[in-house]
Amino acid sequence: EIVMTQSPATLSVSPGERATLSCRASQSVSSSLAWYQQKPGQAPRLLIYAASTRATGIPARFSASGSGTEFTLTISSLQSEDFAVYYCQQYNNWPPITFGQGTRLEIK
Amino acid sequence: EVQMVESGGDLVQPGGSLRLSCAASGLIFSNYLMTWVRQAPGKGLEWVASINEDGSEKFYVDSVKGRFTISRDNAKNSLHLQMSSLRVEDTAVYHCARGHFDLHVWGQGTTVTVSS
Repeated sequence: EIVMTQSPATLSVSPGERATLSCRASQSVSSSLAWYQQKPGQAPRLLIYAASTRATGIPARFSASGSGTEFTLTISSLQSEDFAVYYCQQYNNWPPITFGQGTRLEIK
Repeated sequence: EVQMVESGGDLVQPGGSLRLSCAASGLIFSNYLMTWVRQAPGKGLEWVASINEDGSEKFYVDSVKGRFTISRDNAKNSLHLQMSSLRVEDTAVYHCARGHFDLHVWGQGTTVTVSS
């Protein structure tokens, strides 16, 4: 089973600033990686798939990069609605599909 | 608009059974793999099971193998999860989602609580 590790666990950033979230896989997942955003009481929302492709309707301030074992999600200028929990997920080696433990992005 | 609406969650005793359903609309349901993902209270996301387009292939996380069965009814645009021998650790919100790899559309979830 591939273990996904996200860092940091909590990230405090001011609105308007840039946020950078990291995700590391225990072995290569190629570019088979997705990022999700989840707000309290809501279902997760797909942001990025194939490591760097924005999903439908996702603003351009969300970008992602990486391949193999190291991945990054960047939010260029944080808006109030961006404060949430973010999860990475690999789908290269399955079953099982595995998620990271999440990064909580909070207002500084 | 694509929508997934889950139902069937309830409070059940350990060892009990429950059947979850997911009603899909706004899509050609039979064209998509479908997945169940769960989230224990205050915890992260855990993939539970997936099923291919015609229901001939099913995949499960090890912790539910032999206890849970995923199925679908393409004529009724519905996905199901039959859960038996439920354990306290199965307590979670269960979401259905369109897809198997990247999960593009999610339902709001239905809550399963396993407790005596």
